[in-house]
Amino acid sequence: EVQLVESGGALVQPGGSLRLSCAGSGFTITRNYMNWVRQTPGKGLEWVSVIYNGGNTDYADSVRGRFTISRDTSNNTLYLQMSSLRAEDTGVYYCARGAAHRSWGQGTLVTVSS
Amino acid sequence: DIVMTQSPDSLAVSLGERATINCKSSQSVLYSSDNKNYLAWYQQKPGQPPKLLIYWASTRESGVPDRFSGSGSGTDFTLTIGSLQAEDVAVYYCQQFYRAPFSFGPGTKVEIK
Repeated sequence: EVQLVESGGALVQPGGSLRLSCAGSGFTITRNYMNWVRQTPGKGLEWVSVIYNGGNTDYADSVRGRFTISRDTSNNTLYLQMSSLRAEDTGVYYCARGAAHRSWGQGTLVTVSS
Repeated sequence: DIVMTQSPDSLAVSLGERATINCKSSQSVLYSSDNKNYLAWYQQKPGQPPKLLIYWASTRESGVPDRFSGSGSGTDFTLTIGSLQAEDVAVYYCQQFYRAPFSFGPGTKVEIK
């Protein structure tokens, strides 16, 4: 059974940094597009970043230069390193598997506030 | 970047009746080399992550009831719920996965009339 479990969400001050993790099981992350998607309070879904199965990456304009997506094949885990955090980065962050996102984690909450 | 729009913002449908949601992309998401539309539909219920319903614009994900169907090509797409059930109350999103950033539509809230 495919499972994705996010962790690392926290309350952080503006300008701070945070690293999110997404542990995958039941599949191999390097054989899939792996994405981060966020949902701000009461709002819709915003795609954030992807790491392709070949290792290339892409980002939403709103996070490019501040966020870095990566993966660790030894523990089948996806990461999102977030820096220079802003209030508008507040939300639930989901990891999702596939070009069409067929598997999602339950999400981890990031709150950027002083 | 490809911008996704949806209409309506919300709709209320009687149980057993049809619900239709429209999605439009600012550029075509039809990839000529494989003749596939890189368009997906998701359902999100409160407190839950989104769930993939449809991909390639019209292919139902495994386990999704056949009352859900997708159609369209190029820039205009439709999700139809053939006979609305109480458990279909949710927000529905379209997404293009043709080219990054893989943008979502703003969502359509479906309620029972």
